[in-house]
Amino acid sequence: AQSVSQHNHHVILSEAASLELGCNYSYGGTVNLFWYVQYPGQHLQLLLKYFSGDPLVKGIKGFEAEFIKSKFSFNLRKPSVQWSDTAEYFCAVNSFSGGYNKLIFGAGTRLAVHP
Amino acid sequence: EPEVTQTPSHQVTQMGQEVILRCVPISNHLYFYWYRQILGQKVEFLVSFYNNEISEKSEIFDDQFSVERPDGSNFTLKIRSTKLEDSAMYFCASSEALKREQFFGPGTRLTVL
Repeated sequence: AQSVSQHNHHVILSEAASLELGCNYSYGGTVNLFWYVQYPGQHLQLLLKYFSGDPLVKGIKGFEAEFIKSKFSFNLRKPSVQWSDTAEYFCAVNSFSGGYNKLIFGAGTRLAVHP
Repeated sequence: EPEVTQTPSHQVTQMGQEVILRCVPISNHLYFYWYRQILGQKVEFLVSFYNNEISEKSEIFDDQFSVERPDGSNFTLKIRSTKLEDSAMYFCASSEALKREQFFGPGTRLTVL
């Protein structure tokens, strides 16, 4: 079955620490990859996306992600987190084989950044 | 900046009652979606909709669920006879084209008592 795995359910960091959140997916073939963020009390917002081309994509707020096709991974990174990055982060995939009709989400990673 | 809106933000209903959740997608978008997130669980796809037809639906989307685009702006999700396990946050999303990113609304928290 098609699935998306996020390795860390809860991450606690101090401000200025570096962040890497893991995401692996189980599809073969062409995929589109996304990271969404949900700040407390707010809706899902797109952080960044990968459709094709350069596997290192840059998103908003200093986030970036690297698509490694051989590892079926799309890990999210930020060199130096801020308190305002406290949120839940979701990796999501849609696929050619799935008709691109739906996003399959990972379980989410809840990030808490302490000042 | 255009955004997806949803009403109501919170709906409380009795088991067995019908509910209609409303969404206004971004105006030039052609593809519409419903997702739900049960508390503490992952966001799950329910249904996608294009050209006044369901494109795909998940196994969650059984005969109790229906979607409709009653006019040029609204996109609704109806649950005919709610069950306790329908309690969740329901998100509407829309996209410009099939492979483009989906923009999400703020969600409707449905509580079934």
